[in-house]
Amino acid sequence: DIVMTQSPDSLAVSLGERATINCKSSQSVLYSSNNKNYLAWYQQKPGQPPKLLIYWASTRESGVPDRFSGSGSGTDFTLTISSLQAEDVAVYYCQQYYSTQFTFGPGTKVDIK
Amino acid sequence: EVQLVESGGGLVQPGGSLRLSCAASGFTFSSYWMSWVRQAPGKGLEWVANIKQDGSEKYYVDSVKGRFTISRDNAKNSLYLQMNSLRAEDTAVYYCARPYSSGWNDYWGQGTLVTVSS
Repeated sequence: DIVMTQSPDSLAVSLGERATINCKSSQSVLYSSNNKNYLAWYQQKPGQPPKLLIYWASTRESGVPDRFSGSGSGTDFTLTISSLQAEDVAVYYCQQYYSTQFTFGPGTKVDIK
Repeated sequence: EVQLVESGGGLVQPGGSLRLSCAASGFTFSSYWMSWVRQAPGKGLEWVANIKQDGSEKYYVDSVKGRFTISRDNAKNSLYLQMNSLRAEDTAVYYCARPYSSGWNDYWGQGTLVTVSS
């Protein structure tokens, strides 16, 4: 199994400030034949299903605000919210789809300071 | 509009069985892999199973292998999860999701709650 870890567990950021979430995989999720990282990011608000934000580690899903960005390669990845808005309060998960057994990170809760 | 609607959740005793269904609409169901993902109360997301378009490939998280079976009926645009030998730790909201190109889940249902308790 590929184990996903995230840091921090939670963070509080002032409105308009930057939020940074880290995700690490126990083995590389970079597929050499196409040079793509098999990693996605999701946002989940209370009582709602997850919402896709980013795939291929850095490709923003259609309709997702450009304040959300993904970066990283291999085993280390980052989700950045460049200017936190009130509606961004949520739990954020990374997920690898490199192996046939997908796995999610444990989640990072983002709140307003 | 893509819609995924789960049903079949409820209260079941440990050791019991339950069958979840997911009705899909708004896309060509037979062209997509499909997934089940669960979330225990107050916990994170856990991928449960995937099934290929024609049902020829199925993958499971280790904790449900031999107890859960994912299946689909492309004629009925429906996805299923047969859950046997249920345990308290299987208590969760179960989401039906569509993996785009066997990868990221771009659409999710609202989920159905399964509670395993005596």
